[in-house]
Amino acid sequence: DVKVTQSSRYLVKRTGEKVFLECVQDMDHENMFWYRQDPGLGLRLIYFSYDVKMKEKGDIPEGYSVSREKKERFSLILESASTNQTSMYLCASRTASTWDLGYGYTFGSGTRLTVV
Amino acid sequence: GDSVTQMEGPVTLSEEAFLTINCTYTATGYPSLFWYVQYPGEGLQLLLKATKADDKGSNKGFEATYRKETTSFHLEKGSVQVSDSAVYFCALTRTSYDKVIFGPGTSLSVIP
Repeated sequence: DVKVTQSSRYLVKRTGEKVFLECVQDMDHENMFWYRQDPGLGLRLIYFSYDVKMKEKGDIPEGYSVSREKKERFSLILESASTNQTSMYLCASRTASTWDLGYGYTFGSGTRLTVV
Repeated sequence: GDSVTQMEGPVTLSEEAFLTINCTYTATGYPSLFWYVQYPGEGLQLLLKATKADDKGSNKGFEATYRKETTSFHLEKGSVQVSDSAVYFCALTRTSYDKVIFGPGTSLSVIP
């Protein structure tokens, strides 16, 4: 089974800090995604990547950036953390192979980030 | 654009009750449809999927049938358990280069 591993389950950071959230997948998936999940707002797409060194803005990219230097790793960067970025962050990956009907995501366990 | 609507809940059921969570979608073409489940404090897990009309996805006693005529993908389980308490998300996507569109999620609590 494919595994998507997020480096931290819980993280507490101070306002203004630069924060790195790491995500690694072990099944050679081309596509990777970062979401945040907040009560009443559902899942919101921050950034995604279809290949190494490629990135695309999602629905709420402001205050975030990403890095994909290797196929298996997709990092989310909070350039200057703010309290309104306190949230659950979810990483997901997906194959782009056309034989895999369905194209569903595999998610990591999530990182609950608190900015104080 | 594409969208997914589902009953938001919360839904509270007694153990062994029958479960239905309604999901309807709007999309062009023939999307693939999914149900994901999120247990407390965890990420989302794929519960089941269907890739074409009249397909039935099933897993862990849960079922959902892809109904093109009513654009629906309702989740059902004949007898829920306390361990089924979670948030359930209906979702769709069209191709491997389209993002997955999620519904708002339905919180289910099963009481003994």
